[in-house]
Amino acid sequence: DAKTTQPNSMESNEEEPVHLPCNHSTISGTDYIHWYRQLPSQGPEYVIHGLTSNVNNRMASLAIAEDRKSSTLILHRATLRDAAVYYCIRTNSGGSNYKLTFGKGTLLTVNP
Amino acid sequence: DTGVSQDPRHKITKRGQNVTFRCDPISEHNRLYWYRQTLGQGPEFLTYFQNEAQLEKSRLLSDRFSAERPKGSFSTLEIQRTEQGDSAMYLCASCGLNTEAFFGQGTRLTVV
Repeated sequence: DAKTTQPNSMESNEEEPVHLPCNHSTISGTDYIHWYRQLPSQGPEYVIHGLTSNVNNRMASLAIAEDRKSSTLILHRATLRDAAVYYCIRTNSGGSNYKLTFGKGTLLTVNP
Repeated sequence: DTGVSQDPRHKITKRGQNVTFRCDPISEHNRLYWYRQTLGQGPEFLTYFQNEAQLEKSRLLSDRFSAERPKGSFSTLEIQRTEQGDSAMYLCASCGLNTEAFFGQGTRLTVV
């Protein structure tokens, strides 16, 4: 049970922003929200994570709802290399075990 | 350091044969994970090591599967008496304290 819900697929155009939603309505107070992505024929790659506040890094931004029941991964300008499966994952990273429970993720297609 | 490396990248074996995969984590990472991924699905957790200790095993890890991490460095995953249902991508990931998981490119196993 991945405990998050994501759309199966989304489509975007190159150089446009992409907003990838994730629902995690049963999230607990100590659960972090992590995003990983998997390019074709590659292992998953870390994108970003957060707890309560919005987060930015060189790859993306993470917007977390005030009630923490949902979040949105934002790619500010999609490129063809961003085409991948994006996974939204809850973890209790406060512990020593960083086990990730993946769902099916969202397949992002980027059109030129 | 070139990241997490896995060997071999591809393995084709006949049903009933034994196979062994190797994972070399990032050198300073004390935590190591094995996952299995079938087509169209997200990776599924198999087992977790902290240093040389195997701390958690999924019920997916039947008695035909065994994993080791001697000396807390590289790890091996062995599958005995392979079955066609074992065909999958086997992914290894490592992480250190307060870092995200870094995945290898995986070993794709095909059982014929």
